Amino acid sequence: NAGVTQTPKFRVLKTGQSMTLLCAQDMNHEYMYWYRQDPGMGLRLIHYSVGEGTTAKGEVPDGYNVSRLKKQNFLLGLESAAPSQTSVYFCASSLGGLNTEAFFGQGTRLTVV
Amino acid sequence: SQKIEQNSEALNIQEGKTATLTCNYTNYSPAYLQWYRQDPGRGPVFLLLIRENEKEKRKERLKVTFDTTLKQSLFHITASQPADSATYLCALYTGGGNKLTFGTGTQLKVEL
Repeated sequence: NAGVTQTPKFRVLKTGQSMTLLCAQDMNHEYMYWYRQDPGMGLRLIHYSVGEGTTAKGEVPDGYNVSRLKKQNFLLGLESAAPSQTSVYFCASSLGGLNTEAFFGQGTRLTVV
Repeated sequence: SQKIEQNSEALNIQEGKTATLTCNYTNYSPAYLQWYRQDPGRGPVFLLLIRENEKEKRKERLKVTFDTTLKQSLFHITASQPADSATYLCALYTGGGNKLTFGTGTQLKVEL
């Protein structure tokens, strides 16, 4: 039981390049989330999903797209990376419901130069 | 707008003392509030959840209170140890219950 796994752990991109971050969970959770964390800003929600085939915008969705084609996977895409997207990205999942805890991945450190 | 606020200044305390961290929220009426711990370079880890009808909840050296009138939760660590040094985050489900929203977190440093 691996929990929540993020791929890759580190990445350096040039401005304008694209990439996809993969999040996989093996807990059969309905809800999945993508956050970014910047110094002094805390965790900010980018996009989230409440079930397979569904996605919704969070607090800072611009410049990102997501897909949830399979229940266990939640992909975060950057179509044209910008230096402002340099951050640490965390994926999380939960069963769903107001009384359920979230489980986090180990994070992806992305640098856009 | 809805906000979750935590003290952004780091809290430094001596080993053995009680650490108290604060989480304030506005324009919410949450049924549940959660606390997480985050170590450098790691993802947050769930610690405790408290319901609106629970005034207090305990887990080992941890205690959480939830005052829905003040719109505030307090997180206490008793007999603190250097290993308790970390950033502590509070979180609420917002947006109709689908979005898990976090406060900015408070860094705790426990010194010998």
